[in-house]
Amino acid sequence: DTGVSQDPRHKITKRGQNVTFRCDPISEHNRLYWYRQTLGQGPEFLTYFQNEAQLEKSRLLSDRFSAERPKGSFSTLEIQRTEQGDSAMYLCASSPGGSGGRNEQFFGPGTRLTVL
Amino acid sequence: KNQVEQSPQSLIILEGKNCTLQCNYTVSPFSNLRWYKQDTGRGPVSLTIMTFSENTKSNGRYTATLDADTKQSSLHITASQLSDSASYICVVRRTGSSGGSYIPTFGRGTSLIVHP
Repeated sequence: DTGVSQDPRHKITKRGQNVTFRCDPISEHNRLYWYRQTLGQGPEFLTYFQNEAQLEKSRLLSDRFSAERPKGSFSTLEIQRTEQGDSAMYLCASSPGGSGGRNEQFFGPGTRLTVL
Repeated sequence: KNQVEQSPQSLIILEGKNCTLQCNYTVSPFSNLRWYKQDTGRGPVSLTIMTFSENTKSNGRYTATLDADTKQSSLHITASQLSDSASYICVVRRTGSSGGSYIPTFGRGTSLIVHP
């Protein structure tokens, strides 16, 4: 499977614990995005990388959230001191460079986080 | 404020019937508009992309229209099938030099249920 992969698919944690999610984009894509999606809502943008550079972060991304893409390939999203409000589906997407904003974003299957 | 509004919020139809989903946006300046299909528990998958100069685009039983003057788009599904049951999300991108051109604005989606 050469699509976007995410790990784990499901995560249940207790409030206050730290969690880390991984995203492996399509190999030739240099743009990578993280989104959060709650039930009945569309995805909300969290952050965006071009290669290893984190170019934009949403105001939704509090200081408890941190994302990295150290070698411009896979990315990790860490949430520290989780809160119940962090419960959501965390989606990763990637797209190739060039062609301005026309490039399609290919989404992974998501990581569903439940904070008890 | 850049917004994407979709209607209806949910829709139930019988298999074989047609339906039309609506998307109104205020995102400006406009670059392109995509319709995504999101199956339950999966990431969104692109159905169509439309730019300013395109009025209609088809992908099998899916036909999208765009009126850039009124900032409205529709997605028409013909001869619905059970597998069409999903959330349909309208996504609009801006153009610009701020770097925000790569960050799309998502609608909340229309949840479609097709009954046999």
